[in-house]
Amino acid sequence: EIVLTQSPATLSLSPGEGATLSCRASQSLSSYLAWYQQKPGQAPRLLIYDASNRATGIPARFSGSGSGTDFTLTISGLEPEDFAVYYCQQRSNWPRTFGQGTKLEIK
Amino acid sequence: EVQLVESGGGLVQPGGSLRLSCEGSGFTFSSYSLHWVRQAPGKGLEYISAVTANGLTTHYADSVRGRFTISRDNSKNTLYLQMGSLRPEDLAVYYCARLGPSGWNDYWGQGTLVTVSS
Repeated sequence: EIVLTQSPATLSLSPGEGATLSCRASQSLSSYLAWYQQKPGQAPRLLIYDASNRATGIPARFSGSGSGTDFTLTISGLEPEDFAVYYCQQRSNWPRTFGQGTKLEIK
Repeated sequence: EVQLVESGGGLVQPGGSLRLSCEGSGFTFSSYSLHWVRQAPGKGLEYISAVTANGLTTHYADSVRGRFTISRDNSKNTLYLQMGSLRPEDLAVYYCARLGPSGWNDYWGQGTLVTVSS
């Protein structure tokens, strides 16, 4: 099973600042990595797929990069609605696995 | 509008059984693979099962293999998860999710809570 390790566990920032979230895989994923956002009481929402492609309706302030084992989600100019938990997910091998999440909180 | 609506969650005793359902609408249900993902309270996300569009191929995580069975009825636009030999650690919100054209889960249901307790 592929293990995804996200860092940091918690990120405290203010609206308007930029955020950088990391996800490291235990083996190469090529570009088979996605990012999801989850708010309390809600289902996850797909943000980025195949490492760098924005899903339908996702604002341009969200961007993804990386390949192999190291990936980054960047949020430029945080909006109040962006404070949530973010998960990375791989589909290189079954079972698809998620990272443990990064909580983005308001400073 | 694409919608997935889960039902069937509730309280069950350890060792008991429960069947979850997930009804889809707003898309051609029979054309899409579907997944079950669960989330224990305050914890992260765990993939547990998948089924192809025609229902012929299924996958399970080790944590549920042999205890849970995924199936679908495309004539009813409904996905199922038959859960047996339930354990306290199966306590979670269970989500169904569509596997979209991108190869990722593009639509999710709102989740249904399964509580395993005596």
